[in-house]
Amino acid sequence: QKEVEQNSGPLSVPEGAIASLNCTYSDRGSQSFFWYRQYSGKSPELIMSIYSNGDKEDGRFTAQLNKASQYVSLLIRDSQPSDSATYLCAVNEYGNKLVFGAGTILRVKS
Amino acid sequence: KAGVTQTPRYLIKTRGQQVTLSCSPISGHRSVSWYQQTPGQGLQFLFEYFSETQRNKGNFPGRFSGRQFSNSRSEMNVSTLELGDSALYLCASSTETGGLEQYFGPGTRLTVT
Repeated sequence: QKEVEQNSGPLSVPEGAIASLNCTYSDRGSQSFFWYRQYSGKSPELIMSIYSNGDKEDGRFTAQLNKASQYVSLLIRDSQPSDSATYLCAVNEYGNKLVFGAGTILRVKS
Repeated sequence: KAGVTQTPRYLIKTRGQQVTLSCSPISGHRSVSWYQQTPGQGLQFLFEYFSETQRNKGNFPGRFSGRQFSNSRSEMNVSTLELGDSALYLCASSTETGGLEQYFGPGTRLTVT
């Protein structure tokens, strides 16, 4: 069973700080990686995708991928209270099948 | 461009009944995947449809089935409902199959009593 592991948190950071979320995966052959944000009572919202080693930046978000070490991370710069949510790491297994981690709860305190 | 839509948004059923959920993907998207989300198991993949064909299936019993129509709209059916089927059912659409970005709909909250 292919697995995706995340620290469940909660991860608490002060407003304006950098939040760092981490994820490891078991399938060395995985090629596509995604971060979703899910607010309580809502559906997951795609915030980042990354397919190759290195960093990918989009606004305040940076996704980092290291296939050799089998980890993916998400950095959120200048964290805002509105960033408080559960962040789900997802790894593509086959076709469009995504395997999700359990999610990390992020709390940004003003 | 309109997002993924799902109907109904909320549903209450009794054990033993069956239910059909509907999903309309983003215009131009041909892949629709279904997921079940529960507090205990998290998000789990049910199946994927692409061009009216089931491309991939998760580890769920045969009571869970689906189909896709020529306009890419998809339905999933759960027969003989059990209490453990209470969950948020999410569909996600993508342009193609093969590990591309997927966008989720708002979900259908199913409660089985």
